[in-house]
Amino acid sequence: AQSVSQHNHHVILSEAASLELGCNYSYGGTVNLFWYVQYPGQHLQLLLKYFSGDPLVKGIKGFEAEFIKSKFSFNLRKPSVQWSDTAEYFCAVMRDSSYKLIFGSGTRLLVRP
Amino acid sequence: DTAVSQTPKYLVTQMGNDKSIKCEQNLGHDTMYWYKQDSKKFLKIMFSYNNKELIINETVPNRFSPKSPDKAHLNLHINSLELGDSAVYFCASSQDYGGPPGEQYFGPGTRLTVT
Repeated sequence: AQSVSQHNHHVILSEAASLELGCNYSYGGTVNLFWYVQYPGQHLQLLLKYFSGDPLVKGIKGFEAEFIKSKFSFNLRKPSVQWSDTAEYFCAVMRDSSYKLIFGSGTRLLVRP
Repeated sequence: DTAVSQTPKYLVTQMGNDKSIKCEQNLGHDTMYWYKQDSKKFLKIMFSYNNKELIINETVPNRFSPKSPDKAHLNLHINSLELGDSAVYFCASSQDYGGPPGEQYFGPGTRLTVT
């Protein structure tokens, strides 16, 4: 069965530190990849997405992610985090235009001022 | 001008009751979804409708029944509620129009507590 793994469940950083959150998936075919963010008490918002083309994708709020097909990975990065980035981050994969979005278990990021 | 809205936001009810959660999107999308987020924040798809037709029906107890009166609405009815149904339920929609599925826009969630 297809799965999505987020290896970091909790991450604590100080402001201005760099961030990288890992995401790996198990499906070998064509995939669409997403990162969503859920701020405390709020709904999920799309940070960025990859459908095709340049594997380095830039999203909102200074986030970017790189699709490495050979590693089945789609890691999220931000060079300098802010306190307002404190949230839960979800990686999600959709395969072969299936409509079905498979989510990872999420990474809780806490940024200390 | 909320894109995807859900009512109610909070729902507290007793075991055995029947309840409904409503979802509406004003984005003109043709596909809608229901997700369940458990206490560990794990999100799992339950159902999806495309132009009022059921296209995803995951392994969900048949006490859960989605209904889509039109493509802007997708309601979730739950019969004989159980303690394990306590979760946050998210509605989402995407614009597809017969092509590859697009990004999904999520509603604010409905926190269901069964006592």
